[in-house]
Amino acid sequence: RKEVEQDPGPFNVPEGATVAFNCTYSNSASQSFFWYRQDCRKEPKLLMSVYSSGNEDGRFTAQLNRASQYISLLIRDSKLSDSATYLCVVLNQAGTALIFGKGTTLSVSS
Amino acid sequence: DAGVIQSPRHEVTEMGQEVTLRCKPISGHNSLFWYRQTMMRGLELLIYFNNNVPIDDSGMPEDRFSAKMPNASFSTLKIQPSEPRDSAVYFCATRGTQTYEQYFGPGTRLTVT
Repeated sequence: RKEVEQDPGPFNVPEGATVAFNCTYSNSASQSFFWYRQDCRKEPKLLMSVYSSGNEDGRFTAQLNRASQYISLLIRDSKLSDSATYLCVVLNQAGTALIFGKGTTLSVSS
Repeated sequence: DAGVIQSPRHEVTEMGQEVTLRCKPISGHNSLFWYRQTMMRGLELLIYFNNNVPIDDSGMPEDRFSAKMPNASFSTLKIQPSEPRDSAVYFCATRGTQTYEQYFGPGTRLTVT
């Protein structure tokens, strides 16, 4: 089983839609989780951290289910500018390095 | 702040040639990471330095790859000899002491023919 697994998509949605991405991780001892965003031919950038209680940043909501080892990202009212690849990221058990999923591609159209 | 600086941005070379990728971390960041990204394998960690010392190089694919960090403001990733399967985007990322967030450089797009 891969350490971090994501549905690669692509997800093709119209502007204004709500879209959800899911991610599973294999190491139950993992403590910290993140979503990164990567635009085409650019570097990854931190979108948001994921906290146990769930957290929201504007139109973006991240949730963590430790029992199921499952992380989600919800995007409401999608914008054209949300088109990108979203990477699910888990901090390794030693707390030293990040483990990246292969990403889910989102395409928002007008 | 200038952010993480990588050079060259693009490199095209022939199989068997030596390739050297360079990274300048954000000032004050004491952890530096080299990643490789391909469509097939995604983003893979190659090696990680902390305070200029290599901590984990288990991701380095084989002896053809080597990395150094001679000081806090410079790191290199060398491939010798290069092979077509090394074609990928190589990212350098750095991290400060108070956060897990990593800041990525723009990457070096390597093509080995």
